[in-house]
Amino acid sequence: KQEVTQIPAALSVPEGENLVLNCSFTDSAIYNLQWFRQDPGKGLTSLLLIQSSQREQTSGRLNASLDKSSGRSTLYIAASQPGDSATYLCAVPSQGGSEKLVFGKGTKLTVNP
Amino acid sequence: NAGVMQNPRHLVRRRGQEARLRCSPMKGHSHVYWYRQLPEEGLKFMVYLQKENIIDESGMPKERFSAEFPKEGPSILRIQQVVRGDSAAYFCASSGEFEAFFGQGTRLTVV
Repeated sequence: KQEVTQIPAALSVPEGENLVLNCSFTDSAIYNLQWFRQDPGKGLTSLLLIQSSQREQTSGRLNASLDKSSGRSTLYIAASQPGDSATYLCAVPSQGGSEKLVFGKGTKLTVNP
Repeated sequence: NAGVMQNPRHLVRRRGQEARLRCSPMKGHSHVYWYRQLPEEGLKFMVYLQKENIIDESGMPKERFSAEFPKEGPSILRIQQVVRGDSAAYFCASSGEFEAFFGQGTRLTVV
């Protein structure tokens, strides 16, 4: 059974810092991994999708890496801004190519001006 | 190109009433997924539907919950005889090439 863990559960940093959010999953036979952002009371916004054949994906100040063999992914945020404050969620397919996702509980990020 | 549309955004129901949540997938997508987010919990898969067909309902509670995706119109998640424990955010998603896109959710409060 696929399980996803995100560490830390919460993180508070001053503006401008570079930071890393961690995600681990128990079943490494995944086709992809997706990072989302969730603002309070809002829906999920897809940030990055990494296919199993890829090692990393970049979008602006965000960089996500994937190491299937160790069951880990990291989301790197460069030069953090107060607008980055949100909960960041990691999700993987429940098994193999399944389209239903298993989510971690998220990392709540606060960037202080 | 509108994203995944859910309504209502907020729904208040008294215990014992019925709740109906609606979801229209992104244009061109024919699959929808429903997830539930309980307070302080992660999102949990409930059900996966294609038009007129339930593909996977392994995450759906066995009683009081049902879902449909008719040939015409939105997908409906129906909760009968709601209880306080049903209070949660319910999200709908649709997927294209592997990537999942989520709606803004419906926040159900049972009073």
